[in-house]
Amino acid sequence: GAVVSQHPSRVICKSGTSVKIECRSLDFQATTMFWYRQFPKKSLMLMATSNEGSKATYEQGVEKDKFLINHASLTLSTLTVTSAHPEDSSFYICSARVRGRSYEQYFGPGTRLTVT
Amino acid sequence: RKEVEQDPGPFNVPEGATVAFNCTYSNSASQSFFWYRQDCRKEPKLLMSVYSSGNEDGRFTAQLNRASQYISLLIRDSKLSDSATYLCVVNAGGGADGLTFGKGTHLIIQP
Repeated sequence: GAVVSQHPSRVICKSGTSVKIECRSLDFQATTMFWYRQFPKKSLMLMATSNEGSKATYEQGVEKDKFLINHASLTLSTLTVTSAHPEDSSFYICSARVRGRSYEQYFGPGTRLTVT
Repeated sequence: RKEVEQDPGPFNVPEGATVAFNCTYSNSASQSFFWYRQDCRKEPKLLMSVYSSGNEDGRFTAQLNRASQYISLLIRDSKLSDSATYLCVVNAGGGADGLTFGKGTHLIIQP
């Protein structure tokens, strides 16, 4: 099956700093990548859709200036949490859609962010 | 507003039992449906897609009723390793949209 990696797997940062999370499709090209967030005991919530070479589409309520998304290549998308606050602490998961197979999405292992 | 609702959990069932999960979705334009499994502090993993005609994969059977906007998952002869959270997932668009997840139903298989 398709493999998606995320880095880092865990990060602890101080309030006010920025954190970058990378999402890579390792053995396939992903024209579209998705970023999700999951709070404890809650469902995954779609934050934004990232298309290679174009601006990301953000879901309602997600601040695009706070969660910067860059999808520079067919195998890499990055999410930068800017000026992080403790309430941004969450599990961030990316998924990648297999090019040419529109309904299949593969998830990365997730990044657990803790903001102190 | 897109919504996917699932049975509340947790479900505690003995090993070998049959367990059924139900799910309803509110967006009648939804086009594809899935069950994902998520283990504690891990990413969700696709268990199976759900087709209108119903489909089976080993001990797992999924069914879809578009008229009622209802999806189900049946697990037969449950194993200890089936303990996880089962997520009902809907893709509303033509593949370009992200997935909409239910909150999940936590299943605990007891020896």
